Amino acid sequence: TQLLEQSPQFLSIQEGENLTVYCNSSSVFSSLQWYRQEPGEGPVLLVTVVTGGEVKKLKRLTFQFGDARKDSSLHITAAQPGDTGLYLCAGGSYNNNDMRFGAGTRLTVKP
Amino acid sequence: KAGVTQTPRYLIKTRGQQVTLSCSPISGHRSVSWYQQTPGQGLQFLFEYFSETQRNKGNFPGRFSGRQFSNSRSEMNVSTLELGDSALYLCASSLAGPRGTSYGYTFGSGTRLTVV
Repeated sequence: TQLLEQSPQFLSIQEGENLTVYCNSSSVFSSLQWYRQEPGEGPVLLVTVVTGGEVKKLKRLTFQFGDARKDSSLHITAAQPGDTGLYLCAGGSYNNNDMRFGAGTRLTVKP
Repeated sequence: KAGVTQTPRYLIKTRGQQVTLSCSPISGHRSVSWYQQTPGQGLQFLFEYFSETQRNKGNFPGRFSGRQFSNSRSEMNVSTLELGDSALYLCASSLAGPRGTSYGYTFGSGTRLTVV
């Protein structure tokens, strides 16, 4: 059982479309991170959010941390083929320093 | 600056053998974490080391062990390999902080272990 539930599991869209992926949990996190992973490589950190209600923007990507610090969303505007990859969310605990990961959303953006 | 280096990139082992994987973190990063990634289970936390001490451990059997050296380099060992140990093993380094602070990870490219 994943501590963090990500949805959808798979998403296939056309270039130029918008999309939102979700990361939900019943646990409260000290911080939440989003990563993107491409085949054959390790995940790459996109953003860290630490404050409930926080919104961060990274070019066409918008990240939001829920008010209760239990959930997060990632919104991509005008998706491009280069956005294709596995998007992972990871939650930090108040009691230790390790991060627990969701199963990921596999995004495919078709040209 | 150099990234996180994991060696080897690929490894094929036979059931019952043991294996040692190596990770060199980013210079200045004293925390090293190890994860196992499989298609069915995603990324599962193995353990985290800081200043040569294991600070956290995930729910893996004792066949999985690790250590960290004074230069922050880390190794993980899996003994008596099973078919189910086939996975991508990822090492991540980060700045260290007090409990409850989670700095971003920088991951290596991983070691792809296949057990036959």
